[in-house]
Amino acid sequence: SQQGEEDPQALSIQEGENATMNCSYKTSINNLQWYRQNSGRGLVHLILIRSNEREKHSGRLRVTLDTSKKSSSLLITASRAADTASYFCATGRNSGNTPLVFGKGTRLSVIA
Amino acid sequence: DAGVIQSPRHEVTEMGQEVTLRCKPISGHNSLFWYRQTMMRGLELLIYFNNNVPIDDSGMPEDRFSAKMPNASFSTLKIQPSEPRDSAVYFCASSSGLKNEQFFGPGTRLTVL
Repeated sequence: SQQGEEDPQALSIQEGENATMNCSYKTSINNLQWYRQNSGRGLVHLILIRSNEREKHSGRLRVTLDTSKKSSSLLITASRAADTASYFCATGRNSGNTPLVFGKGTRLSVIA
Repeated sequence: DAGVIQSPRHEVTEMGQEVTLRCKPISGHNSLFWYRQTMMRGLELLIYFNNNVPIDDSGMPEDRFSAKMPNASFSTLKIQPSEPRDSAVYFCASSSGLKNEQFFGPGTRLTVL
């Protein structure tokens, strides 16, 4: 069953604007990760935030985690056309090599 | 490192035929995951291995699906007999014990007619 649910399902913005995607999950987690998938390609890991962290930055990415609300957000600042892709949140219940449970993703279109 | 390698990239077959998908994980990674992606169900875990041993195959939809990992550098996912509802993109991913990050292959797009 799907653990994460992304919101919105699709998002279209102009280049230079910020894009915010949200993810909600159902059970307790050890970590939450965000992945990007370009059309016809595999998923690429973007960032991981652990359950004891509240915010994390990586370049133009900012991730927040609210374990009390079981939700996370991914912010992409100053978006570029190359950011056009689907973005997935994935939750890991344990540390180490355990499977991830993915949401259905947010399809982001950045218009130049 | 070449990353996770999957073959074939595309497979078109007829219902009832046997299909074998192949995966070579990143060298040194000790966990391997098989996922299936469809529009309706999204990305679902089929099975995963730690140190070549299957740990959880509860996501394998039916007995028609089987997976093996004979050594640390190779895994197969077999469907026999294949059915049209098996049409999907099948991803292999690997990870090391140091991080939870998973590295995905490019996927195999399977079409069963």
